[in-house]
Amino acid sequence: KNQVEQSPQSLIILEGKNCTLQCNYTVSPFSNLRWYKQDTGRGPVSLTIMTFSENTKSNGRYTATLDADTKQSSLHITASQLSDSASYICVVRAGGYNKLIFGAGTRLAVHP
Amino acid sequence: DTGVSQNPRHKITKRGQNVTFRCDPISEHNRLYWYRQTLGQGPEFLTYFQNEAQLEKSRLLSDRFSAERPKGSFSTLEIQRTEQGDSAMYLCASSQSLDAGYNEQFFGPGTRLTVL
Repeated sequence: KNQVEQSPQSLIILEGKNCTLQCNYTVSPFSNLRWYKQDTGRGPVSLTIMTFSENTKSNGRYTATLDADTKQSSLHITASQLSDSASYICVVRAGGYNKLIFGAGTRLAVHP
Repeated sequence: DTGVSQNPRHKITKRGQNVTFRCDPISEHNRLYWYRQTLGQGPEFLTYFQNEAQLEKSRLLSDRFSAERPKGSFSTLEIQRTEQGDSAMYLCASSQSLDAGYNEQFFGPGTRLTVL
């Protein structure tokens, strides 16, 4: 069964600190992996997209890594800001399919 | 604003009533997707259109749900005889169909449905 699991479920950090969110997937065949940021009551917004040949990709203070062998990805947030408070969703697209498989998300709260 | 738009943003209805939501995709996108998201969960795929053709439907899409995209532009999602379990955020996304590339989906702000 194609699944995407994320950890931790929720996380609280202080402003300025770094954090890393984890994503494990069992999706085959793998096409690409995306990280989305979803503010409360809003639709998800794409942060990064990676194919199996890409190990790391950055978008400002966000850096995603992908290990296609172990089927793991991480999203590292550097120097967190209050506006980083949101849910971060890991999404995997299976090859040949148009639908995406979503994780349940990690809810990040950045406190001053 | 050239992003995906959804209307209404919020809908409160009584159990048993019918509701209809609208999604306007990014104008040059020929693919349109509907998702449902409950609190604390990621979105779940409901259905997808390429132009006006509905190419795939999830088993989550019971016979009370119907989606249309009559002219290949905007889409509507109708829920008949709503149940309290239908309460969720309904998200629409659109993308281009590309032979290569990521086919990135751009999401709208969602319609939050509350069934009393």
